[in-house]
This record gives sequence, C-alpha cells and structure tokens, in this order.
Amino acid sequence: EVQLVESGGGLVKPGGSLRLSCAASGFIFNTYSMNWVRQAPGGGPEWVSSINSNSVYIYYADSVKGRFIISRDNAKNTVYLQLNSLRAEDTAIYYCARSASSMDVWGKGTTVTVSS
Amino acid sequence: SALTQPASVSGSPGQSITVSCTGISSGDGSYNLVSWYQQHPGKAPKLLIYVGSRRPSGVSNRFSGSESGNTASLTISGLQAEDEADYYCCSYVDNSGWVFGGGTKLTVL
Repeated sequence: EVQLVESGGGLVKPGGSLRLSCAASGFIFNTYSMNWVRQAPGGGPEWVSSINSNSVYIYYADSVKGRFIISRDNAKNTVYLQLNSLRAEDTAIYYCARSASSMDVWGKGTTVTVSS
Repeated sequence: SALTQPASVSGSPGQSITVSCTGISSGDGSYNLVSWYQQHPGKAPKLLIYVGSRRPSGVSNRFSGSESGNTASLTISGLQAEDEADYYCCSYVDNSGWVFGGGTKLTVL
C-alpha cells in the first residue's frame, strides 16, 4: 500500500524550531518529487516546499523562504522539513505529498502550533 | 491566490454542478498541470482530476475536468450527499512550485 506518514509536529514558541519527517512506503521513493503543503485553521491548502528526486531542484513558497529547509534521505525513504524562526502564522496542519504530474498521494498530516 | 474560485456552490441530489478556477493561463505557459482536490472536514485533500481532465483510478466518473482559455472547470454530475466538501484547484508553476485556488465549498441541498 502506498503510504506517507508525517511526524514531528507539536507546540513551539515563536522563534522556535521544529523538524518534521515524512516516511514513505509502498512505492519507489527515489523516483518521485516530494512536497510539503500546509493548511492553517479554517484555510485552504498552501504549498510550502518541493524537492525533486535527487535533491537538485528545491523550491519554497515566499512565505517560508529563508526560514524552512526541505531535505530528503532516499536510503531511508524519508523527506524532512526543518522549520526555523517560527511565527504564529505558521500554525497549521503540515502534509507531505508525492508528486509527478500532480500531488497524488498525501499523508494524514502533523499539526504545528506556534504559540507562547 | 493566483487561482480564483467561487467561495461556494450548491445543488440538489442528482443535479450537476460546475466549479470554475480562473487564472490558469499566465500567457507564457508557466502555469500547467491543473489538478482538482476534494477535502472533507478533518481529512487530507484527495486527488480527483489531474492534468486538467484525467481521473485517477478509483475516482468516480461523476467527476470530470476541463480547461478553456484562462479557466479550468470541475463538473460533478449526479450529485450525492457525500459530495458535500471543499474543492480546490491547483496548478504547477514552472521553476516555482504549486499554487492552489482559494477553495469552493459545495453544499448538497
């Protein structure tokens, strides 16, 4: 079964850091680009970052550029998102999704809450 | 959002509805790979349509997608109560990433 499982979310103070992980299974991980998408309470999905299969092409949304870092370990079938300098507006459910011509497989998400 | 959707649409069971998504044509071809997602409360988005009009296996043929000019459309035929959800269009922007529409809430009357 194709599956993505996110972990690492939690409550963090403004200015703090967090590292999210997304473990993939059931498909050939190193042939897909991977993405992080977040959804703030009551809002729609917002794409955050993408990394291609060999980590050569990496993109970020302007809202997180310079603060978040995406990476992947193909040996561990895992993609990561390092969240730094967190702000209240980063509070959201963070989903990882694999992509080819669309984001076709999504995890269930992990919740990040930024609050003092 | 660079992609504009109506905030809400509604229809009765058995009817058809269409959700529009405007802004898919940037003029330089950088917007492409339009997809549509369905999201029920508390759940992750689910892919309904990709590359404008293709349906993943397992998605009902009551869902169809099309594109014309600057607008993509999602049509749901034979509305069912379980179709009540939020719907989002999404497009890939070359050398940039993905952009989502603001979402449309479908109410089945």
